[in-house]
Amino acid sequence: AQSVTQLDSHVSVSEGTPVLLRCNYSSSYSPSLFWYVQHPNKGLQLLLKYTSAATLVKGINGFEAEFKKSETSFHLTKPSAHMSDAAEYFCVVSDHVSGGGADGLTFGKGTHLIIQP
Amino acid sequence: GAVVSQHPSWVICKSGTSVKIECRSLDFQATTMFWYRQFPKQSLMLMATSNEGSKATYEQGVEKDKFLINHASLTLSTLTVTSAHPEDSSFYICSAWAATNYGYTFGSGTRLTVV
Repeated sequence: AQSVTQLDSHVSVSEGTPVLLRCNYSSSYSPSLFWYVQHPNKGLQLLLKYTSAATLVKGINGFEAEFKKSETSFHLTKPSAHMSDAAEYFCVVSDHVSGGGADGLTFGKGTHLIIQP
Repeated sequence: GAVVSQHPSWVICKSGTSVKIECRSLDFQATTMFWYRQFPKQSLMLMATSNEGSKATYEQGVEKDKFLINHASLTLSTLTVTSAHPEDSSFYICSAWAATNYGYTFGSGTRLTVV
């Protein structure tokens, strides 16, 4: 079984300051991990994904995340927040067996990122 | 890149009627398609998984007779909400997966309102 916990339901930062969105996961296998962003009434956009390659993953729009197996964490960071970053962010885990087919994704409850001017 | 088209983007229907939502992979063949449901200010919950030509696998608590899923081809999956009720009002999102470009590509979602 797989699960993901986003530790903060809301995060508020000032524009230009660093962003940290926390995520912990549990998985029976070697997981694939993702961060998605959702703007109001819109679909999901993939920010980045980890699939057992480099543990530090760089994504779009300046975001990156580090896979730490010992801590079962996959926190999302950005050095400098933009107003346009205000959105809902989901940490997601896929618990599929290596070489197998796709499994449905398990979503965290989401973190609402607020950017203060 | 991989694109998934989902239609309609929003729909309003009367209680007791049925609504069909389409999900198409435009530039790749999707081995597997997933349907998710998102209530306001909540996370996405997996409803069902469908493989082309096979019956869909539903998650616990999801009524298969109410949420009919058809995956007739490698590029098209449909979700039909039958005999819709106001509590079915939600945001429905599909996702397509293909081994060739490993990754889950999401549609833009359908906002269903049942009145």
